[in-house]
Amino acid sequence: AQSVTQLGSHVSVSEGALVLLRCNYSSSVPPYLFWYVQYPNQRLQLLLKYTSAATLVKGINGFEAEFKKSETSFHLTKPSAHMSDAAEYFCAVSASNSGGYQKVTFGTGTKLQVIP
Amino acid sequence: DTGVSQDPRHKITKRGQNVTFRCDPISEHNRLYWYRQTLGQGPEFLTYFQNEAQLEKSRLLSDRFSAERPKGSFSTLEIQRTEQGDSAMYLCASRTGTGGTETQYFGPGTRLLVL
Repeated sequence: AQSVTQLGSHVSVSEGALVLLRCNYSSSVPPYLFWYVQYPNQRLQLLLKYTSAATLVKGINGFEAEFKKSETSFHLTKPSAHMSDAAEYFCAVSASNSGGYQKVTFGTGTKLQVIP
Repeated sequence: DTGVSQDPRHKITKRGQNVTFRCDPISEHNRLYWYRQTLGQGPEFLTYFQNEAQLEKSRLLSDRFSAERPKGSFSTLEIQRTEQGDSAMYLCASRTGTGGTETQYFGPGTRLLVL
């Protein structure tokens, strides 16, 4: 079984401030981890993904996330928020299930508001 | 546009009616997923196809739901005897490959409202 917990359904930051969106996962097998973003009126798109190559993963638009196995976390960060970062962010975990295929489980999402 | 497309984008129906949604994946993608998303929730897995074979169905998928992917191309999701609780955004995603690292590409979704 696998699950994802995103702490904070809404996060507000000032423009230029650090963005930190939290994600903790649970998986009985080594997982792959993803962050997806949904900008207003747009479809879900991949922001970045962890595939066991490197624990610090860089994505689009200056975002990055660090896989910490000991903490079962995959928090998303950006040093300086921009107004265009306002969106909903979803953490997801992918792991092999008993049927042998990769099942993807999404978190409940965090809406990021950027205050000018 | 070579991305995943879904039709219709919006559907309003009365309780008890049947509805069918279509998803056209990216052409070279052999894997196709259906998700349901309600307000304040992330996408919830419904079912998964590898080519034309439906390999997994969620317990969320009651007997009123059926999905097909004939010839491993487009897919349809049918809901029979719709209920108000079926109101949600229905998302389709596709990807290639056999491992777990390949990116899923999402369609724009079909928003269903059951009155």
